[in-house]
Amino acid sequence: AQKITQTQPGMFVQEKEAVTLDCTYDTSDQSYGLFWYKQPSSGEMIFLIYQGSYDEQNATEGRYSLNFQKARKSANLVISASQLGDSAMYFCAMREVTNTGNQFYFGTGTSLTVIP
Amino acid sequence: NAGVTQTPKFRILKIGQSMTLQCTQDMNHNYMYWYRQDPGMGLKLIYYSVGAGITDKGEVPNGYNVSRSTTEDFPLRLELAAPSQTSVYFCASTLYQTGPYGYTFGSGTRLTVV
Repeated sequence: AQKITQTQPGMFVQEKEAVTLDCTYDTSDQSYGLFWYKQPSSGEMIFLIYQGSYDEQNATEGRYSLNFQKARKSANLVISASQLGDSAMYFCAMREVTNTGNQFYFGTGTSLTVIP
Repeated sequence: NAGVTQTPKFRILKIGQSMTLQCTQDMNHNYMYWYRQDPGMGLKLIYYSVGAGITDKGEVPNGYNVSRSTTEDFPLRLELAAPSQTSVYFCASTLYQTGPYGYTFGSGTRLTVV
């Protein structure tokens, strides 16, 4: 089974509108971390936001917020007031504790295009 | 503040050739990782290291080797390159493996094997 599932290969949003990028995860661990990364066309990976499995409040970082629904195993990224510079690939990731240390699992990504 | 530096940025190899992808970080991070990203896919872990002298295999280690003689450097060696190793390679590091500490990534190495 996929550890991280991102079902939206591509998304479009109007500038200044909000957009939600979906992410579901699969783990039987109680302690894990969820991350979102942005990859612009230049190729670098930029860390956006983190949610711990024990965090009761949704994480927020500026215009980014993570809609964490633990029972549904979903960790959707919400970008408010989209800007042209938000056009990029977005990857959801999970850090899981294994018997050999921590492992990171990445989804296949969602390509976001912001339309002027 | 250089962060994670990868060299080279681009490389074309012929089948059967070998090369080393360099990765250096100046943040004194103990944890370092090598990932590959195939077109339209997420990242897959090749090897990782929890400190100098300690390395371990990730999800897709075949065809690769690593070493970690210092905290700063974590080179990835490709022996006998194959077309299946055509990919973008990312090196990453982190200070802690728990808590809100994401990876710091290098800018990537785009490798083509022909």
